[in-house]
Amino acid sequence: DAGVIQSPRHEVTEMGQEVTLRCKPISGHDYLFWYRQTMMRGLELLIYFNNNVPIDDSGMPEDRFSAKMPNASFSTLKIQPSEPRDSAVYFCASSPDRGYTDTQYFGPGTRLTVL
Amino acid sequence: AQTVTQSQPEMSVQEAETVTLSCTYDTSESDYYLFWYKQPPSRQMILVIRQEAYKQQNATENRFSVNFQKAAKSFSLKISDSQLGDAAMYFCAYRSPWGGNQFYFGTGTSLTVIP
Repeated sequence: DAGVIQSPRHEVTEMGQEVTLRCKPISGHDYLFWYRQTMMRGLELLIYFNNNVPIDDSGMPEDRFSAKMPNASFSTLKIQPSEPRDSAVYFCASSPDRGYTDTQYFGPGTRLTVL
Repeated sequence: AQTVTQSQPEMSVQEAETVTLSCTYDTSESDYYLFWYKQPPSRQMILVIRQEAYKQQNATENRFSVNFQKAAKSFSLKISDSQLGDAAMYFCAYRSPWGGNQFYFGTGTSLTVIP
């Protein structure tokens, strides 16, 4: 299996621009998670999906952030408009639904820089 | 929500020596799962080891082992015969058997291996 795939790996944009991060989970995994990692706040869960349905989006910082999962093999995290404080590494992770013994499998992350 | 605490922001160890990373957590649940993840400079999150709360035997994976003290809510990671490739950020994580597949992560410990 190719693992969790994220694109792009690096994104540099200017304040006010729209940013879209993409994720392809591992085939057969029922859960998909979006995390943000910064030095100040560590690893934060933004939102997670179960069978393409958003379950908990309480970690989404504000209305500028939105996430979708139109099908089992694709998810996006969009920031519009972007701000410098959004600069971080964004991780996507997926997990099967075989009970709570299973771990989460992380993608390589997208490093976002907002100038 | 459960909280996971890693009180050692940074640790260092001589190559070939043993180091222990600390993790404590707060929960009222009796059954749960605990994990240690490694994040090298590549940023990839890699599962190191996992422990089921109902198992008294401490988990072991080659040079990595845990000291799980359920009553004390402590879950430390021991790395034996440290290697240069062990240098990374280490995260402790908690998973509840309820409420979906949400993980709670600690703030991480940065491990330096000294040649």
